[in-house]
Amino acid sequence: NAGVTQTPKFQVLKTGQSMTLQCAQDMNHNSMYWYRQDPGMGLRLIYYSASEGTTDKGEVPNGYNVSRLNKREFSLRLESAAPSQTSVYFCASSERGRRTGELFFGEGSRLTVL
Amino acid sequence: DAKTTQPPSMDCAEGRAANLPCNHSTISGNEYVYWYRQIHSQGPQYIIHGLKNNETNEMASLIITEDRKSSTLILPHATLRDTAVYYCIVRANFGNEKLTFGTGTRLTIIP
Repeated sequence: NAGVTQTPKFQVLKTGQSMTLQCAQDMNHNSMYWYRQDPGMGLRLIYYSASEGTTDKGEVPNGYNVSRLNKREFSLRLESAAPSQTSVYFCASSERGRRTGELFFGEGSRLTVL
Repeated sequence: DAKTTQPPSMDCAEGRAANLPCNHSTISGNEYVYWYRQIHSQGPQYIIHGLKNNETNEMASLIITEDRKSSTLILPHATLRDTAVYYCIVRANFGNEKLTFGTGTRLTIIP
């Protein structure tokens, strides 16, 4: 039982390049989330998916797209990376209902955009 | 979701109880109080949550005031591994999928 797995763990991009961050969970959770964390800051929600086939914007969605590929996988895409997107990205998942607020996080993906 | 206010930093001696306060004066009746912590640059870890009764689990205790406008997370016997940023979050458990993190309290356990 690996929990939440993110790939890649580290990535360096040039401005304008595109990339996709992958996230998979093996806990049969319905809800999945993408957060970003800038140095010295709290986490900010980018997008979330309450169930397979649905996605919704969070606090800072601009510059990102997401795909809920199936119940297990939720990917985050940067179409044209900008230096302002240099951050640590965390994927998380949770059950629905009573335990919705108990999020399980991955180890993070550290992205640098030059 | 109601806003929360936490002190930016706190110290606690190893072996003592660490008491982390959180104010949430605008909390509404259906909103829960959640606590998470983040060690170094790892992903946040869920600790505990409650609605109005005090809660305890293997990691910590959560004390919520009777008027629910504030709460305290208690780590009964702090160890060096408890050094982390602790986040207090308020949210409704149903019909709201978002969990909004603030900047939290940086707790340092001193040997």
